[in-house]
Amino acid sequence: GESVGLHLPTLSVQEGDNSIINCAYSNSASDYFIWYKQESGKGPQFIIDIRSNMDKRQGQRVTVLLNKTVKHLSLQIAATQPGDSAVYFCAEIPDDKVIFGPGTSLSVIP
Amino acid sequence: NAGVMQNPRHLVRRRGQEARLRCSPMKGHSHVYWYRQLPEEGLKFMVYLQKENIIDESGMPKERFSAEFPKEGPSILRIQQVVRGDSAAYFCASSQGLAGVDTQYFGPGTRLTVL
Repeated sequence: GESVGLHLPTLSVQEGDNSIINCAYSNSASDYFIWYKQESGKGPQFIIDIRSNMDKRQGQRVTVLLNKTVKHLSLQIAATQPGDSAVYFCAEIPDDKVIFGPGTSLSVIP
Repeated sequence: NAGVMQNPRHLVRRRGQEARLRCSPMKGHSHVYWYRQLPEEGLKFMVYLQKENIIDESGMPKERFSAEFPKEGPSILRIQQVVRGDSAAYFCASSQGLAGVDTQYFGPGTRLTVL
């Protein structure tokens, strides 16, 4: 069945370092992917998206990489800041719904 | 431009009572989605609605749960005869177009606690 999973459930990084959060997806039909950030007590917040006709997309301090061959997605955060501490979800959109992975908790050490 | 609004933010119910969760989409958005999130888990899709129509309810439990998005007013997620297992955070999202075309924006959620 469809599933989106994350390799690392928790990640701790030093402030100023780069963070990399990985995600595997299984639905070959998915052609749209989103990374969401969820802070404690809040709803998911859109960070960046990518469509299957691309393999890389950059935003402000964030980059998403898509490897369709191995069905792998990653989120890179440059110069990680304390405000980046949150749970990050990758999500695939194969049709009319968003399928979320279980999430990775990012903790930034000052 | 206000984001997605949900109320109440917190709701406490006793077993057997009814819970009604409201969601007002972003202005100009006619597509609404409801998700449920258990503690330390990802969000699970429940239902997708477009004005007055249920498009996809494949994630909705067959009993006690219902959703509507009337022509006027917010979308309502209704849980009848709540049980402890219904305790979760319920998030609403809206988009201007289809999920695969337009980004879904999420509300702050309603945290339901069933005593």
